[in-house]
This record gives sequence, structure tokens and C-alpha cells, in this order.
Amino acid sequence: GESVGLHLPTLSVQEGDNSIINCAYSNSASDYFIWYKQESGKGPQFIIDIRSNMDKRQGQRVTVLLNKTVKHLSLQIAATQPGDSAVYFCAENPSSGNTPLVFGKGTRLSVIA
Amino acid sequence: GAGVSQSPSNKVTEKGKDVELRCDPISGHTALYWYRQSLGQGLEFLIYFQGNSAPDKSGLPSDRFSAERTGGSVSTLTIQRTQQEDSAVYLCASSPSSGADTQYFGPGTRLTVL
Repeated sequence: GESVGLHLPTLSVQEGDNSIINCAYSNSASDYFIWYKQESGKGPQFIIDIRSNMDKRQGQRVTVLLNKTVKHLSLQIAATQPGDSAVYFCAENPSSGNTPLVFGKGTRLSVIA
Repeated sequence: GAGVSQSPSNKVTEKGKDVELRCDPISGHTALYWYRQSLGQGLEFLIYFQGNSAPDKSGLPSDRFSAERTGGSVSTLTIQRTQQEDSAVYLCASSPSSGADTQYFGPGTRLTVL
């Protein structure tokens, strides 16, 4: 079946370096993608989203890149801080309309001070 | 306004007992979702309510699981005859309208079945 997945389950980054978290998706009809951050003991928190008519979107210290040709989504975090340590999930909307998001397995980001 | 709230935050129960988990979505959000998250795992979709439409129950793992949403707002997830494998964090999310909208999550209810 079609699914959202992640290339790396864990990622360790030195404080101050940039982080890149990757996500592959297989449903070419997906038109909306979201990155969530989940800290220990909390629910997922929205970080940034992107629609399929865009290939890049920037937020505060975060950038999401969408490559529809290879069905790849990435989250870039600039100047990674200890507070960025969390599990990051990508999610896709597999089709337009009233369908729930499909979530990937998650990547744990550990920031080394 | 307030975000999504869930209660209780923690629930410990004995195997075979029934439990009810509550979710208060963001006011005005018409879509509400329940997910289950086992330790160190991703999000498992359970059920989805959208306005007055029939809910999408395709993710419910067994007939011991049910959910209702009263008055288009508060939702209750009920697990009957709980089993140890039901132990997980149960997350609720809401969104303004359709599934294409950003979902906002509550803090979750951690269920432990002894």
C-alpha cells in the first residue's frame, strides 16, 4: 500500500549545526504535507506545512522542501538548539477532500550540547 | 482560545475493565480525530469525525473500541474489556474543516492496562 516513511529513525546533531530530516512518500496524489514536532510527554505540535504547488517554504529557523519528482520531503532546522530535541513526524494528505492525514514513523532528533 | 484538551492525562486500569477517554476540540473545529501511539512508535489512526457526516471508523483495531461525538464538539473514546496491548497514549486532534487542514493535537491520555 502507499505510505509515508522516513529515511533515518534517529539523528544526532551538534548544537549550532543545521539539521535535515527526510521523509519519503509514495502517493503521487498527495497535495498537502505537514511537519510535526513531538516532545517527550506531549502531543505533536505543528511546525510548518507545504502544499503541492510549492517546492519550498520557510518559517522561523525551519524550511520545508518538497521534491515531487522523487516524492521526497525534508525539514531543515537552522542553528539547531537543545530545545529542538524531539521526534519529528511528516504527514501527508493522500487526496483532496475529507480524508485523515497519513503520518510517517518519526525521526528522533538529539541535539548534542 | 484554548487548544485541544484531553482527560484524564493518565489512566491506569485493570485488564477487562472499560475506560472512557475524553477530548475537547478547539472551539469551531468541525473535524476531530483519534490516534493511538505506542511507546516510541508513530501515530496510528483510529477514527475521524467530520461535521455531521458518518465517522470514518476504518482505523479502529477491534469492536472493543468505539467513539462518539456529541453535539459536534466533545468526543469520547471508549475501550471495552481492556487488554494489556491497549496500553498506549491516545491522542486527539481537531482541525477547522476537512482532512486537508492542519490538525492540532491535545496532550494525550496515557493508558496503562495492568
